[in-house]
Parts: sequence; C-alpha cells; structure tokens
Amino acid sequence: SSELTQDPAVSVALGQTVRITCQGDSLRSYYASWYQQKPGQAPVLVIYGKNNRPSGIPDRFSGSSSGNTASLTITGAQAEDEADYYCNSRDSSGKLYVVFGGGTKLTVL
Amino acid sequence: QVQLVQSGAEVKKPGASVKVSCKASGYTFTSYDINWVRQATGQGLEWMGWMNPNSGNTGYAQKFQGRVTMTRNTSISTAYMELSSLRSEDTAVYYCARDAVEMATIEYYFDYWGQGTLVTVSS
Repeated sequence: SSELTQDPAVSVALGQTVRITCQGDSLRSYYASWYQQKPGQAPVLVIYGKNNRPSGIPDRFSGSSSGNTASLTITGAQAEDEADYYCNSRDSSGKLYVVFGGGTKLTVL
Repeated sequence: QVQLVQSGAEVKKPGASVKVSCKASGYTFTSYDINWVRQATGQGLEWMGWMNPNSGNTGYAQKFQGRVTMTRNTSISTAYMELSSLRSEDTAVYYCARDAVEMATIEYYFDYWGQGTLVTVSS
C-alpha cells in the first residue's frame, strides 16, 4: 500500500502565509484532500480535488499539486487556523483504498 | 442538512467485540459509501475500510482484515462497524465519514464526518 508523508510540525506568524505539504506516489494518480482537526473535534474537510473549498471554508485556504506532492496553503493565517492538518488520497493500488498522511501540527505564533 | 450521528462511548475487555453505529440523515443513505477511520489518543488518522450501503460491498485495510466487519441497515439509514478480538491498542476514537466522489474530475474526499465514538479496551 501507499504512504503519504507530512512534516510533523509547522509554525507561522499571525497574518503570514504557510504551506503544508504531503508527498506520496499515490498523488501522481489521485488528488489529495485536506482535513483540519482541532482538539477534541472531528476532522473537517477544507480542500478537495484540484483546488476546491467546501461551503463555509475561508478563501485563505487553497490547494495545489505537482508530481508526487500536494500542498495546502493558508494565506494570511489566523489564530483559529491553529490545528492538525491531514492529507489523504486513494491508494495507488486502487481507488477503493484510502491512505492518510501522518498529520501536521500547525502553530500560529 | 447532512448529519452522521454515532453511538456512544464503549468500554470493553480484551478479547471482546465492539459494534459502533453511524446514523445518516439529510441525504439518500444508499448513494454514498461510508468509510471508517480511527484515531488513537495523540496519534494520526488511520483508515479502516469502506462499505457501499446500496450493495453491502466492503473493502478493508489489510491491517484489519479478519477482525473488522462493516454492515448496514438501509431501513434506518445506519452503518455499523464491528471490531473483534479487541486489544489495548484498539483504544481509540472511531469515526464514520461519507465518501464523496466526482467521477468526471477523479476527485475523492470525505465530506461529512460523524462526531466520533471513543472505544476503550481495558481489563
């Protein structure tokens, strides 16, 4: 099965831009989707597909992809963006199987 | 509005089984696969498997093959995940999530999640 690799922790100054990356072979075939998780809460979808935001997600969140790397960018990070972020995609062995990245803890300074 | 509401917390002894439910509302239950994801305390998200509520077809992560069973009751729009031969390492929050698929653009994502069910395995 595939693996998705994320940096364990990233920090950003309030109002600055931060990029969180996700690497894996499956990303050459499938888009990543991104989830925000705050302590004690269920994950929330923030980006999916090429660069789509569900209703209610601020437009400071955006996504991109190149080769085997997907990125989540937060432009003008806010204090409320401090959370864990997870990427996932279908497994490279087939669309019926799913793989998650290990997660990135984002700290807003 | 779409909602996935899960059953309450469980405490089980090692070797026992647990069955978690996930009741869907606000959409046609049989139109979207349900996936199950778990998260041990302080750890990341771990995918367990999927179930098609229309056909009952399932697919499980290799790690859980032989121990997990995903079923559904379409008459009450509810999905179930049963995990057997529990051990302490199975202590985690278990989530159900709706699987959205955009075939035209090859986009797959989990658009709605349940609130999570804490399963504690302890003697």
